[in-house]
Amino acid sequence: DVKVTQSSRYLVKRTGEKVFLECVQDMDHENMFWYRQDPGLGLRLIYFSYDVKMKEKGDIPEGYSVSREKKERFSLILESASTNQTSMYLCASSPSSGEDTGELFFGEGSRLTVL
Amino acid sequence: GEDVEQSLFLSVREGDSSVINCTYTDSSSTYLYWYKQEPGAGLQLLTYIFSNMDMKQDQRLTVLLNKKDKHLSLRIADTQTGDSAIYFCAAEGWTGANNLFFGTGTRLTVIP
Repeated sequence: DVKVTQSSRYLVKRTGEKVFLECVQDMDHENMFWYRQDPGLGLRLIYFSYDVKMKEKGDIPEGYSVSREKKERFSLILESASTNQTSMYLCASSPSSGEDTGELFFGEGSRLTVL
Repeated sequence: GEDVEQSLFLSVREGDSSVINCTYTDSSSTYLYWYKQEPGAGLQLLTYIFSNMDMKQDQRLTVLLNKKDKHLSLRIADTQTGDSAIYFCAAEGWTGANNLFFGTGTRLTVIP
């Protein structure tokens, strides 16, 4: 089974702190994604990566950056956390387009609270 | 980006059928998906349908696709309390499988 592991299930940070959210997948997938989930808004794509050191902005990249130094690991960085970044963050991975149905495999989520 | 819309809430009695509806805007979406999110968990793929099909059945689940109206539905027969979850409709974006556009999610509550 594909496993996508997010390092922290729950985090509480203060405004202005730097926050790292880590995600690791064990299925050698090329694509990795970071979404945030908010009630009534569904999932919104922050950034995705289709290869090591490659990244693409999603729909809401402002206030976030990402890092993909190794194929299995995709990190989401909040340089200076703000209260409006309080949310559930979901990491996902998938094989390359054309290899499969495009199914995304999700981690369990990291709930971030910024005070 | 593509707009994917769903109603936010649905309540049904145990044993009844549930129907969750979704509309999308990009007629070029090749695959359309239903994901399920149980409390405290990430999303898991429930089922999907290829755009050249109009129906797909998998045990208690039936997916109907009306391409002309860009309407997707998920029917759960004999709904059980374990089906209580948030159900997300998702459509493939123009970049293909690299990007899915998700609806807001429908919270299904099954009343015993």
